[in-house]
Amino acid sequence: GQQLNQSPQSMFIQEGEDVSMNCTSSSIFNTWLWYKQDPGEGPVLLIALYKAGELTSNGRLTAQFGITRKDSFLNISASIPSDVGIYFCAGFYGGSQGNLIFGKGTKLSVKP
Amino acid sequence: DTAVSQTPKYLVTQMGNDKSIKCEQNLGHDTMYWYKQDSKKFLKIMFSYNNKELIINETVPNRFSPKSPDKAHLNLHINSLELGDSAVYFCASSQFTRTVAFFGQGTRLTVV
Repeated sequence: GQQLNQSPQSMFIQEGEDVSMNCTSSSIFNTWLWYKQDPGEGPVLLIALYKAGELTSNGRLTAQFGITRKDSFLNISASIPSDVGIYFCAGFYGGSQGNLIFGKGTKLSVKP
Repeated sequence: DTAVSQTPKYLVTQMGNDKSIKCEQNLGHDTMYWYKQDSKKFLKIMFSYNNKELIINETVPNRFSPKSPDKAHLNLHINSLELGDSAVYFCASSQFTRTVAFFGQGTRLTVV
């Protein structure tokens, strides 16, 4: 089946540092979504991207829909301890009834 | 007010048993999903319903049967539970297919 390649798998950073993660695919996607999952909770939407080249911010988070429509990145600026969690990219694959498929996640740890 | 709620949050049961997980959304969405998250945190879609009709049924053993009594509810029934069924199961909903999905808190199923 279709896969999204998300990297890095994990990151361990110091509070205040910037973070960057990305997702790539061999297929074209029409929508890219970024979710965050805290322990014991369901994924929560951070940013949704609908157009190639679109750059969208949500507070300290910025995400872009790649111009080729095959990739997306998420940046977090000035990380804080509550940024800890697993970040997932997701995209719709297939026709009008397409699946929302997920990357394997980036586990972020922040050291105070 | 919880948008997507699942019960129970934890479920421990023996191999061979039959169990159900319930999901309700109060967002007025037309589409509901079941996802399975394995021990490596990979999220994979199992089923998708639109207005009570099944539209996606991924390669899932037929021991898993979704039931949608109305568009606000999508329950998951599992027969003859196996050890490999242990995972976290997430219910989600979206206004239409191919739009942002909102997730419940998950049901951690442990089969012993």
